[in-house]
Amino acid sequence: NAGVTQTPKFQVLKTGQSMTLQCAQDMNHEYMSWYRQDPGMGLRLIHYSVGAGITDQGEVPNGYNVSRSTTEDFPLRLLSAAPSQTSVYFCASRSTSGKNIQYFGAGTRLSVL
Amino acid sequence: GQQVMQIPQYQHVQEGEDFTTYCNSSTTLSNIQWYKQRPGGHPVFLIQLVKSGEVKKQKRLTFQFGEAKKNSSLHITATQTTDVGTYFCADGSSNTGKLIFGQGTTLQVKP
Repeated sequence: NAGVTQTPKFQVLKTGQSMTLQCAQDMNHEYMSWYRQDPGMGLRLIHYSVGAGITDQGEVPNGYNVSRSTTEDFPLRLLSAAPSQTSVYFCASRSTSGKNIQYFGAGTRLSVL
Repeated sequence: GQQVMQIPQYQHVQEGEDFTTYCNSSTTLSNIQWYKQRPGGHPVFLIQLVKSGEVKKQKRLTFQFGEAKKNSSLHITATQTTDVGTYFCADGSSNTGKLIFGQGTTLQVKP
């Protein structure tokens, strides 16, 4: 039972490089989201999706793109990495019915030099 | 936009002491969730509160939802070293399903 899987676990980028953080869930959850976690700032919502083909911006969307072509996958794209995007990124999913529990992936630690 | 403020940001206690973290909102919340994140780990769901004045217990943890549904608290009785981590409250009021998290309270327990 994999739950929410994020890859990679660690990544170092140079300023201006692009990359995609992968997220997949096997629980058939409609809702998926991306957060970044910085010291003293808690978990800040970047983008979220309520189903395949539907995405919306969260609190801190600038510099990030997302797409949701399938229920299972919700990749996060950094088009031109900046040092301010150094952070820990968490993907999460939840069902829109039932107990409303949000499940998190193990996280991706990203450093932008 | 909607925000939940959480205090304190950090708390150091001696093992066996009690601990409380508070979550406050300027608007009425339809529900609030609590999560725990161990050092180096990811947030894990603890509980959801929905009703005004609701109190729920999980062993040494007591969760409360205020009568006005604008605040919530998590109280740990007789802390243990296994309680170390960051505790987050999250506002689940959005009709889009998104969760907005407080800044978290990081608990350190000295053995």
